[in-house]
Amino acid sequence: AQSVAQPEDQVNVAEGNPLTVKCTYSVSGNPYLFWYVQYPNRGLQFLLKYITGDNLVKGSYGFEAEFNKSQTSFHLKKPSALVSDSALYFCAVRRTINTGGFKTIFGAGTRLFVKA
Amino acid sequence: DSGVTQTPKHLITATGQRVTLRCSPRSGDLSVYWYQQSLDQGLQFLIQYYNGEERAKGNILERFSAQQFPDLHSELNLSSLELGDSALYFCASSVTHRGEKLFFGSGTQLSVL
Repeated sequence: AQSVAQPEDQVNVAEGNPLTVKCTYSVSGNPYLFWYVQYPNRGLQFLLKYITGDNLVKGSYGFEAEFNKSQTSFHLKKPSALVSDSALYFCAVRRTINTGGFKTIFGAGTRLFVKA
Repeated sequence: DSGVTQTPKHLITATGQRVTLRCSPRSGDLSVYWYQQSLDQGLQFLIQYYNGEERAKGNILERFSAQQFPDLHSELNLSSLELGDSALYFCASSVTHRGEKLFFGSGTQLSVL
């Protein structure tokens, strides 16, 4: 079954340092992969997606993600973390179902803490 | 603001009761998705509607049902509520049924006592 895994429950980083939030996927065929962010008491917000093309995808708020087919990974990165980046981050995959519909399946989430 | 409106924001009820959660999608979006978020289960896909028709079904219990109306708003009905149904219920919308970018509402926090 198509799924994503986020191996870290929590990531801690100092402000100004680069950050990486990890995601691995298990998908047959070409994956449609996404990153979403959830701030406290808010719904999820779309950050970026990979469908095809360049392996480095740029998204909102200075985030980017690198698609690596050989390692089946789609890690989220940012060159310089901000305290305001502290939030819950979800990796997701779009799964095609047998009725021809689609559903987006989310990972367990990784909580990012950026310390001033 | 995502443009997706969910009401009510909070709901407290008792076991065995029935509640209705409401979602208005972004203007122009034809597809509505329902998700349940809890600490132990994470974010679980429940069901998707596109232009009034059910398109995809996830881990939705038989006690739960949903529909999308002609004006594209959607309702999620939860009946015979149990303590374990306490969770944050999100609605999301997208332009197409392909789910390439979802816009989420702020959620309805359901507490079953």
